[in-house]
Amino acid sequence: GDSVTQMEGPVTLSEEAFLTINCTYTATGYPSLFWYVQYPGEGLQLLLKATKADDKGSNKGFEATYRKETTSFHLEKGSVQVSDSAVYFCALRDNNNDMRFGAGTRLTVKP
Amino acid sequence: EPEVTQTPSHQVTQMGQEVILRCVPISNHLYFYWYRQILGQKVEFLVSFYNNEISEKSEIFDDQFSVERPDGSNFTLKIRSTKLEDSAMYFCASHISWADTGNTIYFGEGSWLTVV
Repeated sequence: GDSVTQMEGPVTLSEEAFLTINCTYTATGYPSLFWYVQYPGEGLQLLLKATKADDKGSNKGFEATYRKETTSFHLEKGSVQVSDSAVYFCALRDNNNDMRFGAGTRLTVKP
Repeated sequence: EPEVTQTPSHQVTQMGQEVILRCVPISNHLYFYWYRQILGQKVEFLVSFYNNEISEKSEIFDDQFSVERPDGSNFTLKIRSTKLEDSAMYFCASHISWADTGNTIYFGEGSWLTVV
């Protein structure tokens, strides 16, 4: 079935460093792709999304581009802040409208 | 910003007891979901619900689980006889339309269940 694989964490960066969290997917159809973020003690929040190939989702300085040729949706941010420390989940929504999540990548940003 | 609300935020229950987790989806949404996240693990799909019936369920969603939409606003997850391994964060989610796969699924903040 459809699935998502994202890089294992934890990832530890210094403030203002460049962030990449890799995500690749396997799908039979044309899924929508999402990044969700879970801050400590909170629920899942949508960070950004892309619904078709070559779409770029962006929010709060984060970006991800839907790459059909490489089946990827890598999350990037040019300069991370301490407040970005959280767990990031890549997800796809399949043709049955069910969300499939990656395992999550914990990011810690140190001042 | 509309939101999905869940209660309780945290519940501790004894093994073998029944638990009901409650969710109020966004009012004009039509599709409802439960997911769970065991501590430190990935978010797992449990069940989807549309038009007053289950549309899909995972292998995790066995006979001890059930869902119900008892009125126009609530969507509940019942665990009949809890086991230690049911300890997890349970997320309710909803979205408006099946037709547009780009529509955002909104998640609640989760109900943390601890079975002792």
